Order: sequence, then structure tokens, then C-alpha cells
Amino acid sequence: KAGVTQTPRYLIKTRGQQVTLSCSPISGHRSVSWYQQTPGQGLQFLFEYFSETQRNKGNFPGRFSGRQFSNSRSEMNVSTLELGDSALYLCASSSGTGHYEQYFGPGTRLTVT
Amino acid sequence: AQKITQTQPGMFVQEKEAVTLDCTYDTSDQSYGLFWYKQPSSGEMIFLIYQGSYDEQNATEGRYSLNFQKARKSANLVISASQLGDSAMYFCAMREFQGAQKLVFGQGTRLTINP
Repeated sequence: KAGVTQTPRYLIKTRGQQVTLSCSPISGHRSVSWYQQTPGQGLQFLFEYFSETQRNKGNFPGRFSGRQFSNSRSEMNVSTLELGDSALYLCASSSGTGHYEQYFGPGTRLTVT
Repeated sequence: AQKITQTQPGMFVQEKEAVTLDCTYDTSDQSYGLFWYKQPSSGEMIFLIYQGSYDEQNATEGRYSLNFQKARKSANLVISASQLGDSAMYFCAMREFQGAQKLVFGQGTRLTINP
């Protein structure tokens, strides 16, 4: 079974721009969660989508948004980028039921200059 | 609010020794899950082991075991016979099944295995 894939792996953007990150979950998984990882704040939950609906949301500003498609693939968008948005963005998939073990992708490293 | 605390920022262990990584948690939920993840320098988070709050036995997965002490709200990861490839960041995480229903991570422990 293929694992979680994320594209692109690396991105460099300028302040004020917007960015879209993509995540393809493990086949059969209906839940996709997004996390931001920085040296200062650690791993922080952004949001979770299950069957195309946002099921949970973390404490991030409205500049961070996401969506999930009918094939469970998910995208995350960050508008009006700030320097503090530089981070590793991790996507995780799970069945969405049971124990909720999440399987992570390799991440997208975003650098904002 | 749910919280995970890992008090060991870094640990150094000799190869083949056993190592215990500490994790304490705080939650008001009765139903929750505890997870451990490994993050090598490549950045990918690797799922290691799961323990449910109602599981009476400690979880084990190969060389990994979870020492679950519910009354103390403790979920320590034990790695037996450590290997050089175990060098990585290790994160403890918890998901409440009734409350917030999101995965919350601790700050992590950087484990270094010396030959």
C-alpha cells in the first residue's frame, strides 16, 4: 500500500504571497489532518478533514484554510504569507475511526522570505 | 485542556542498552488514546505504538513497549536493545475521543544512541 504523499516537498515564497500544499492519503483512509512544525512551537494541529468536511480546527488564523476532495486528497492554503509561517507542514492520514492512528507524509518545507 | 509533557529534551544511550522515554499527560476525558512517534532527521513522522485508555495490558510492538500507568497519567516508551538507527526525535501524543478529538504532541525527546 502506498504511503502518504505530499507535494511539493520544498517551497520558497515571499511575504504576502499565498501557497497551496497538497496531500494524498493512504488508499482507503478518509481522514486527513494537517500540522505545522517549528523549532519554537513544536507540532501544532491545524485542522482535520473527514469525508470532505472539516471535523476539527486548531488555533490558527483564518489565513490558514483547507479542503478535502471526494477522493480524500486534501489541500491546505495559506494566504498573505508571513515570515513566521516558515515551517515544516505535515499531513497525516487515518481511517478516521477506531484508534485513529495517523500515518504521516514526508512533509512540505516552506520558507518565507 | 489536554496536555502532553516530555521532560527529557535529550538522552544519550549506549547501543544495545534499554532506554525509557518519559511522557506524562493531562486530560479530563475518560476515553483517550496515547501514541508515540519517531522522527528521524529526514523529517517524516513514523508511528510506533498505541495505547488506549481502557486497555488493561501495556502495548508492545517489537522492541517498543509502552509502560502505561493510568493513575499517574504516565505513558513512557521503552525501547529494548537500542540500535544506532534508533537515534531520532521521539514524540508522545494524545487524542481525546470525547473532548477536543485532535492529536496533541509533546515537545519531544532527542535520543542519541552511541556505538
